[in-house]
Order: sequence, then structure tokens, then C-alpha cells
Amino acid sequence: SQQGEEDPQALSIQEGENATMNCSYKTSINNLQWYRQNSGRGLVHLILIRSNEREKHSGRLRVTLDTSKKSSSLLITASRAADTASYFCATDAGKLIFGQGTTLQVKP
Amino acid sequence: DGGITQSPKYLFRKEGQNVTLSCEQNLNHDAMYWYRQDPGQGLRLIYYSQIVNDFQKGDIAEGYSVSREKKESFPLTVTSAQKNPTAFYLCASSKGRQSNQPQHFGDGTRLSIL
Repeated sequence: SQQGEEDPQALSIQEGENATMNCSYKTSINNLQWYRQNSGRGLVHLILIRSNEREKHSGRLRVTLDTSKKSSSLLITASRAADTASYFCATDAGKLIFGQGTTLQVKP
Repeated sequence: DGGITQSPKYLFRKEGQNVTLSCEQNLNHDAMYWYRQDPGQGLRLIYYSQIVNDFQKGDIAEGYSVSREKKESFPLTVTSAQKNPTAFYLCASSKGRQSNQPQHFGDGTRLSIL
């Protein structure tokens, strides 16, 4: 069964708004990673958060991890049209398992 | 610039034919991976290799084969036994053997059946 599941499956916002994507998982993890995929391209690693961390920032990205709820969120602030992509969480419980992704559309 | 190169970008397979997808990395990474991505889906692991001359089956290895004769190269063969090969195939590598390492991806090969 899928380890990480993203919510929502699709998200459409206006440029300048914030975008929040959630990831839930079922078993204990060592770390959780977020990746971005532009249409027809490979995945690009965005951020890794370890199980003993609660929050991590990278530029306009903010990731939180709540191990008690087995969930993580990715917040993109002040979104841009160039942020349009699919975003995947990947959970590490000995091997990396990818969720099905959230497709984000940022309208100019 | 270091990176991962996958070729070809598009590939067509005839029924009963084996095809090989190329993956080369110049990042000096130990571990390499092959994933399959179907439309609107996440990635599923086909095979992975943590060191030269060694590889392990992933979750959906049936109908696929790999080799790891050189650190830089990890080709994937889609055999005629794979009855539903149409998908986007992604190759990745990581610095260490542990799953806590970020993975670096190539730009994929899209395989279709003629």
C-alpha cells in the first residue's frame, strides 16, 4: 500500500498567493523528502526533513513534519507562474517511497 | 556540469521486442535507481543498485532487467515479458547507499508501443 499520500491532488491559485500541500503516511519514517517535477521532466529534490525536525525553510519553501500525526506539509509562499509543477513527497522507512503528487497550477 | 543523462528521450517498441534505456551519471554516485511513472501517478521502483556489479529488485521488477558493470552506467532493458511497458521511465542516483540521501534524476525516457 502507498506510504505517502498527497492532498489535494490538484491545486490552482493566482500568482502571489500561498500554496499548501499535505502529505500523510502510515509507518514510522527516518526522514521525508519533497520533490518537484515539471511536465515531461525528471524530479528535482527540494528539501529533506529528518524525523527529529519539526520545521525547515529553504527560500520561499517551508516544510513542517508532525510525526505524531504522520503528516507533513509543504508551503510555497508568494507563488509565481514558474512554480507550476507537480510536487511529490517521499518517505524514507528504509527505502524511499513516493506519493502520487499534487499538481499545482499558478495563474499569472 | 554534473548530472544524469537518459537516452533516448522517446522510444517505441514493437511487440516481442526487447528495448534498452540508457542512464549515465557523472556525479560519482554509488547508488542508482530505475523508476516507472504512469500518468497522474507517483514513482514505482523497478530496480536499484548500491554498488557496481550488484543490483536488487524493486517493487515491480517483472519484465525488466538491469546491469551495473560500471559506476557511471545503469541501463534498463524492457523485455517482451513486460506486457504493459508504456510509461515514463526515470533514472536516479544518490551519493550514498542509504535512503536518507537526496536523489538526482534524469529527464526520463517515454516508452510507447507501436
